[in-house]
Formats: sequence, C-alpha cells, structure tokens
Amino acid sequence: AQTVTQSQPEMSVQEAETVTLSCTYDTSESDYYLFWYKQPPSRQMILVIRQEAYKQQNATENRFSVNFQKAAKSFSLKISDSQLGDAAMYFCAYGQIKAAGNKLTFGGGTRVLVKP
Amino acid sequence: SAVISQKPSRDICQRGTSLTIQCQVDSQVTMMFWYRQQPGQSLTLIATANQGSEATYESGFVIDKFPISRPNLTFSTLTVSNMSPEDSSIYLCSVGRGLRNTEAFFGQGTRLTVV
Repeated sequence: AQTVTQSQPEMSVQEAETVTLSCTYDTSESDYYLFWYKQPPSRQMILVIRQEAYKQQNATENRFSVNFQKAAKSFSLKISDSQLGDAAMYFCAYGQIKAAGNKLTFGGGTRVLVKP
Repeated sequence: SAVISQKPSRDICQRGTSLTIQCQVDSQVTMMFWYRQQPGQSLTLIATANQGSEATYESGFVIDKFPISRPNLTFSTLTVSNMSPEDSSIYLCSVGRGLRNTEAFFGQGTRLTVV
C-alpha cells in the first residue's frame, strides 16, 4: 500500500519570505501523480499544484513550485513571497492510476503560519 | 475545475440517528469518492462510487455503516448510519477530471457533530 509522509507538523514563515514543505511517499508503481492541497479553516480542499510522475519538469503555479525527485520519492512544495492568505493546512497526496478509480492517499498535513 | 456542491455543509445529530450527505457535480463523472477527515487528522478514503454498481469500500469501512448511492453520473449520497460521537468528522466528496482522471476536485465538505 502507498504511504505519504509529511515530516513537518507546522512551519512558520515571515510574510514575503519563502517556505518549503517536505513530502515523501512510498510506492512500487511507476505511473502515478502527486498533489499539494491547501485547506484553510473553511475546510475546502483547494488544489495548489499537480505533478504527473512521467513528467520530469517540475510543476509551477505562480508563487508555488515543486521539487519532484522521482528516484528519491520526494515531492516538496515551495511557497515564494508568502502572503497572509497562504496560512492553512497543506496536504500532500499520492494518486494511483487504476481502472477501478484513481484513489488518493494523503499525508498527515503541515500547518503553515504566516507572520506579518 | 469542477463545481461540486455538498449538502448539508454542517449538522449536529443525536447518537443513534443517521445522516445522508448529498454530492452534486456540475457535469458527468465516472467515479466519485467519499473521504472522512477526523478532527485534526488527514483525509481517509471511505469508498469509491461508480454509477450502476455497488460502491467499493476501503479497509475499515463497511456498507452497513456507510451506505452509498450513485443513481446517475452527477450525483451521489453517503449515509452515516447509527451515529456515535466517534463519527464526528468532516466528510468530503471528490471527483476526478481530465486526462486519465488525474485532476481531483473536492466538495466543500460536511462537518458532522454527533452528540
């Protein structure tokens, strides 16, 4: 079974600075995809960024970028120019590709605090 | 992105009763997924709902406790039966979109409190 580990329960960053969240996963599959989701207190799961395992190029979305190291099974998220609105729980998720349904396995989450 | 509407957004229920949560998607999807997020925890998949067939449940979840319906390609319900305080959680539905269904979107969640 796949497992996802987020080793940082909480990270604090100064506004306008950069913070990196770590995520490692375990799988025997070669074809899969990875996500970072943001969950503010409203509890809505907001997709931040997505990476397909077959793509070598790291995904970027505005101030958010990932460092995908397939061999090391690592998928870290970098938030640049942090804003107060970035404060939330961040979940890393592994998506398996199956005909029976692409299920997601989530890490335990990292709480990001942004200091003004 | 997908527009996913979940109802109710929150509820407080008496133990021993049941609650049905509805999930409506703005377009047809093959698979719908139901997740549970216990207080302070991450998300755990309850089951996968495919239209026209019985839902597939993950280890630790059973149909008698969490019956699921999937009457068409845009709608699903999850019932939490015979509730106890341990069922107090956020319940979220999710769908896959895009090539190979690798774009996953979530409803806004239902916060359930059992007293």
